[in-house]
Amino acid sequence: DGGITQSPKYLFRKEGQNVTLSCEQNLNHDAMYWYRQDPGQGLRLIYYSQIVNDFQKGDIAEGYSVSREKKESFPLTVTSAQKNPTAFYLCASSFRTGGNNSPLHFGNGTRLTVT
Amino acid sequence: KQEVTQIPAALSVPEGENLVLNCSFTDSAIYNLQWFRQDPGKGLTSLLLIQSSQREQTSGRLNASLDKSSGRSTLYIAASQPGDSATYLCAVRNQAGTALIFGKGTTLSVSS
Repeated sequence: DGGITQSPKYLFRKEGQNVTLSCEQNLNHDAMYWYRQDPGQGLRLIYYSQIVNDFQKGDIAEGYSVSREKKESFPLTVTSAQKNPTAFYLCASSFRTGGNNSPLHFGNGTRLTVT
Repeated sequence: KQEVTQIPAALSVPEGENLVLNCSFTDSAIYNLQWFRQDPGKGLTSLLLIQSSQREQTSGRLNASLDKSSGRSTLYIAASQPGDSATYLCAVRNQAGTALIFGKGTTLSVSS
């Protein structure tokens, strides 16, 4: 079955440590996205990528980094520079961006807790 | 800057009622609008996508309408069921943008 896989489901880290969240899709989608969800805040865009080896910052990119070496994979690294990293992280994908009507498909999320 | 607002933030109804969820956006120059459902602790499931040239889309008991000029969309749920209990989010894609902008959602509770 096609879909988006995020792993792990729960992640715990000590403050000051970098951590990488995995996102893999087998939908042959070109574009991939990372959103952060906090209670009462809705979803906020961290980074997105339209094609391999290219990505753009979203509204809250500070303290995060990404890579897009393969079409299927878009890992997100939460660095120690991120002030409030504890949140629910959602990965999504779609066919092309920039004016296309392709619906967004989401993974099941990774809940990161930093203490 | 595009802003998306959903009212009410929470809604409780008895089973069988028809209900309407509201979504408004500040910049009417959108390319499309998408409604999602989110169960607690889960990702989002796409329900309906309305292109800017369309007025409505239907899927089963769900009907979404779009009035681009007034910056509004509604999600109509007919004959609500306890299984409809979830958070419903709307999101818009700007013509010039490349990512969806989300509202904060409406949390629906349907009691049996």
